[in-house]
Amino acid sequence: DAGITQSPRHKVTETGTPVTLRCHQTENHRYMYWYRQDPGHGLRLIHYSYGVKDTDKGEVSDGYSVSRSKTEDFLLTLESATSSQTSVYFCAISETGGNSPLHFGNGTRLTVT
Amino acid sequence: GESVGLHLPTLSVQEGDNSIINCAYSNSASDYFIWYKQESGKGPQFIIDIRSNMDKRQGQRVTVLLNKTVKHLSLQIAATQPGDSAVYFCATGPLPGLTFGSGTQLTVLP
Repeated sequence: DAGITQSPRHKVTETGTPVTLRCHQTENHRYMYWYRQDPGHGLRLIHYSYGVKDTDKGEVSDGYSVSRSKTEDFLLTLESATSSQTSVYFCAISETGGNSPLHFGNGTRLTVT
Repeated sequence: GESVGLHLPTLSVQEGDNSIINCAYSNSASDYFIWYKQESGKGPQFIIDIRSNMDKRQGQRVTVLLNKTVKHLSLQIAATQPGDSAVYFCATGPLPGLTFGSGTQLTVLP
């Protein structure tokens, strides 16, 4: 495994509550990504980071925010969770951000009731 | 928008046979292509990648073929083993953020 830890691994929360997912890496990679995985949609990019305090939106960023205050940590926040945000969330890292592989964590399964 | 699609959602092969998983993409600007394997409860695991200046690349028991003319990518697995049972995804760049296909479930039959 690429030294990526996601926490929590499982979470159940209620609609309207804030939720923060954490991704921690030990590889000192510059680039970090948040994806969500849903049946029939594959993996879709939510947000990514290309350095400390440098982030940008992905394909499905509405309802999500991110922060990166240290190289090793990338946080994903759902300000007010909705049932449509029930999903499996994956963090990924890459060394260069160019044409190089992304390496994924083992995911966080989030259920919004 | 761009899309990446796999030809078959499921594929069953006999143990020891070769497997071929296909993928089509729509974006002519794609210049990076990558295959992942995902086992239940785990994140996608990198298998092999190829850049647009190549049409074939080999790894350990795997080969990726790229046909840019018809925007087609394939993954060949030689001598398929039970441990190869998983969902396989193709994805395309350029980064940031790969565009993923929906996956093919490979089942290896004894």
